[in-house]
Amino acid sequence: KNEVEQSPQNLTAQEGEFITINCSYSVGISALHWLQQHPGGGIVSLFMLSSGKKKHGRLIATINIQEKHSSLHITASHPRDSAVYICAVVEYNNNDMRFGAGTRLTVKP
Amino acid sequence: KAGVTQTPRYLIKTRGQQVTLSCSPISGHRSVSWYQQTPGQGLQFLFEYFSETQRNKGNFPGRFSGRQFSNSRSEMNVSTLELGDSALYLCASSRDRGFGNTIYFGEGSWLTVV
Repeated sequence: KNEVEQSPQNLTAQEGEFITINCSYSVGISALHWLQQHPGGGIVSLFMLSSGKKKHGRLIATINIQEKHSSLHITASHPRDSAVYICAVVEYNNNDMRFGAGTRLTVKP
Repeated sequence: KAGVTQTPRYLIKTRGQQVTLSCSPISGHRSVSWYQQTPGQGLQFLFEYFSETQRNKGNFPGRFSGRQFSNSRSEMNVSTLELGDSALYLCASSRDRGFGNTIYFGEGSWLTVV
């Protein structure tokens, strides 16, 4: 079993819809990152969280350390949000970074 | 300011050869980390360098190695290439060691082993 599980694996939405991507992990962590990867490979860091909630534009990320769960929300989704979203956790014990398998989001106009 | 720069972007190598990939971090960033991405295994952490020292290493064989120079630029080397080493190799930089800061990724180096 992967230490980092993301759901759903694939998600198709209509433009304007509210999107939620979930990340659950089984190890103790010091931080969690949400990453966005567009076709072609480039990765952009969206958020780094160690507690609570962060907001940037239409994106909101939350983390519940006790429940070992994080969510990434996209409000008013747009076709340019189509990408793979990856959750990555930093293990507290050894500072290893472990990645979820990613969620492929397609937003249709 | 310039982002993380990786060279070369694309390369093809033959089994048994070795390859060296280069990464120039954002100016002022002292931490460089490397990752391998394949369709089967997804993203995996290779190693992190800070102040010219390897600080952390993922679960990869000794054929994968790296180094960091005094100007924070980093190289990774893969010796005795295998077909399974075909992957996108990503480099990232951040201001401090560890992953408690925002990390900035390069565009990656696409390696094909034939």
